[in-house]
Amino acid sequence: GEKVEQHESTLSVREGDSAVINCTYTDTASSYFPWYKQEAGKSLHFVIDIRSNVDRKQSQRLIVLLDKKAKRFSLHITATQPEDSAIYFCAASMNSAGNKLTFGIGTRVLVRP
Amino acid sequence: AQTIHQWPVAEIKAVGSPLSLGCTIKGKSSPNLYWYWQATGGTLQQLFYSITVGQVESVVQLNLSASRPKDDQFILSTEKLLLSHSGFYLCAWSGGGTEVFFGKGTRLTVV
Repeated sequence: GEKVEQHESTLSVREGDSAVINCTYTDTASSYFPWYKQEAGKSLHFVIDIRSNVDRKQSQRLIVLLDKKAKRFSLHITATQPEDSAIYFCAASMNSAGNKLTFGIGTRVLVRP
Repeated sequence: AQTIHQWPVAEIKAVGSPLSLGCTIKGKSSPNLYWYWQATGGTLQQLFYSITVGQVESVVQLNLSASRPKDDQFILSTEKLLLSHSGFYLCAWSGGGTEVFFGKGTRLTVV
């Protein structure tokens, strides 16, 4: 089955700098890659996704890049703010009937003032 | 707008006792429904998914079962809790596309 590796377990950045989280996946059939944010003690909140028909997507301060050859995708949080502090999960899915999302282990992002 | 409601918010249960967690989705007919489990400090594992009423597929065996008695309801249960069942249980839905939306979760502590 699919395996998603999230390379950074923690990331500490100064406010205003960029944070980059990298993930790799194993199954070439995966075609959908969402990112979720989890604040302390709370549920997952969808932040951005990318599908395999594009290699870049931007939503305000968030940029997702996808490199299908390398089976790698990344989340760039630009101009970080204190409210960006949270755990970020990457995931991959083949968009099968069961919509089975395979998650990475999560990256704790801390934005320092 | 679609809403997803999970209950209870938190539970403390004894080993060997039964468990029932529930989830209701409003504003969306025939959603795909999912149960996820997150061990403390860990990643998320999909436990079950359901595409239609009465049909539930198991993804991971954890001595839990799930049922979908109504189009908008998904239940997670077990007759006998284990210590390893502790964690955060998340119900989620999708509209048949790829985006999956999560409920607020139930925090379960087995003692």
